[in-house]
Amino acid sequence: DFVMTQSPDSLSVSPGERATFNCRSSQSVFNRSNKKNYLAWYQQKPGQPPKLLIYWASTRESGVPDRFSGSGSGTDFTLTISSLQPEDVATYYCQQYYGRQITFGGGTKVEIK
Amino acid sequence: QVHLVDSGGGVVQPGRSLRLSCAASGFTFSSYGIHWVRQAPGKGLEWVAVISDDASKIYYADSVQGRFTLTRDNSRNILVLQMNSLRPEDTALYFCARGHSDSWYILDSWGQGTLVTVSS
Repeated sequence: DFVMTQSPDSLSVSPGERATFNCRSSQSVFNRSNKKNYLAWYQQKPGQPPKLLIYWASTRESGVPDRFSGSGSGTDFTLTISSLQPEDVATYYCQQYYGRQITFGGGTKVEIK
Repeated sequence: QVHLVDSGGGVVQPGRSLRLSCAASGFTFSSYGIHWVRQAPGKGLEWVAVISDDASKIYYADSVQGRFTLTRDNSRNILVLQMNSLRPEDTALYFCARGHSDSWYILDSWGQGTLVTVSS
């Protein structure tokens, strides 16, 4: 089983500042044959369903602002918001899709300082 | 525009059954895998099940294997999750979600969710 661990649990950031949070997988999600990391990031605002932000660890979904970026490989990944906006207040989840059963991290809640 | 509408939630006693539906529009339903993901109140996301575009592959989370059955009707653009032997720990908001064209395990569009409460 792939266990996804996110840190920190919550983060308070001033508007315009950088927000960085992490996701670690218990097993590598890197596929050597296609050189892709099977890792996605989602944003969930209160009362809304999740929204896909990033997939293949660093590919931004169409329409997602470029202040969102993903990095990392193997077991350690990072989502960065380069300049936090008030509308970015949400919980962010990572998800592995290397295994047949998808697993999500526990989430990082981002608040405005 | 992709549109997924989840329905069928409600309050049910432990051990009973419930049937959730996901109605799709705005895309070629028969070309996409579709998932169910649930979220217990105040908690994180838990994947439940997925069905491939042609229903030839269906996979379940260990927590629901043998109790839940996922089917689809591509002629009516509908997905159905039959949930039997429900337990209090199945209480959650259930979302259907479409698999991405790049990989059917990336979830690119989500319904608004339907709430299932299992309680005596």
